[in-house]
Amino acid sequence: QKEVEQNSGPLSVPEGAIASLNCTYSDRGSQSFFWYRQYSGKSPELIMFIYSNGDKEDGRFTAQLNKASQYVSLLIRDSQPSDSATYLCAVNNQAGTALIFGKGTTLSVSS
Amino acid sequence: GAGVSQTPSNKVTEKGKYVELRCDPISGHTALYWYRQSLGQGPEFLIYFQGTGAADDSGLPNDRFFAVRPEGSVSTLKIQRTERGDSAVYLCASSLYGPGDEQYFGPGTRLTVT
Repeated sequence: QKEVEQNSGPLSVPEGAIASLNCTYSDRGSQSFFWYRQYSGKSPELIMFIYSNGDKEDGRFTAQLNKASQYVSLLIRDSQPSDSATYLCAVNNQAGTALIFGKGTTLSVSS
Repeated sequence: GAGVSQTPSNKVTEKGKYVELRCDPISGHTALYWYRQSLGQGPEFLIYFQGTGAADDSGLPNDRFFAVRPEGSVSTLKIQRTERGDSAVYLCASSLYGPGDEQYFGPGTRLTVT
């Protein structure tokens, strides 16, 4: 069974701090990696995607990918209370036909 | 532009009944996906359409579940003889070309089977 693992949290950080969210995956054939944000009662919202090893920055968000370690992370700089949500890591399956999601990490940013 | 839309937003049905859930993808997106999300879990893949055909239906839990996309746009997920365990949020997503692309989710349909 191919898996995507995330710490469920909650991860609590003060406003203005850096939040670091981590994800490991088991399928070495995975090629596409995504981070979704999900507010309570809402559907997942795509915030970052990364396909190559290294870092990818978009505003306050940085995605990091290490295929050798099968590890992907999301850094949120200058965290805001509005960033409080569940963050879902998703990885495409080896067949390339679907996304496999982790259970998500709940982030709480306190003001 | 308009995002993915799903109807109804909520559906309550009795055990044993038949339900249909509808998804209208982003205009021009060729790929469409159905997922199911239970409380505290990430979305779970059900089926992927490329155009009108189901390219991967390996996530459908059993033969009570069926989905169609007859014209390559709108899709309907059909559940026969519903069971209480089918209660979940059913999410639809679309992407421009295929699963390697960014997938954008609709608001979901919350299905409750009583």
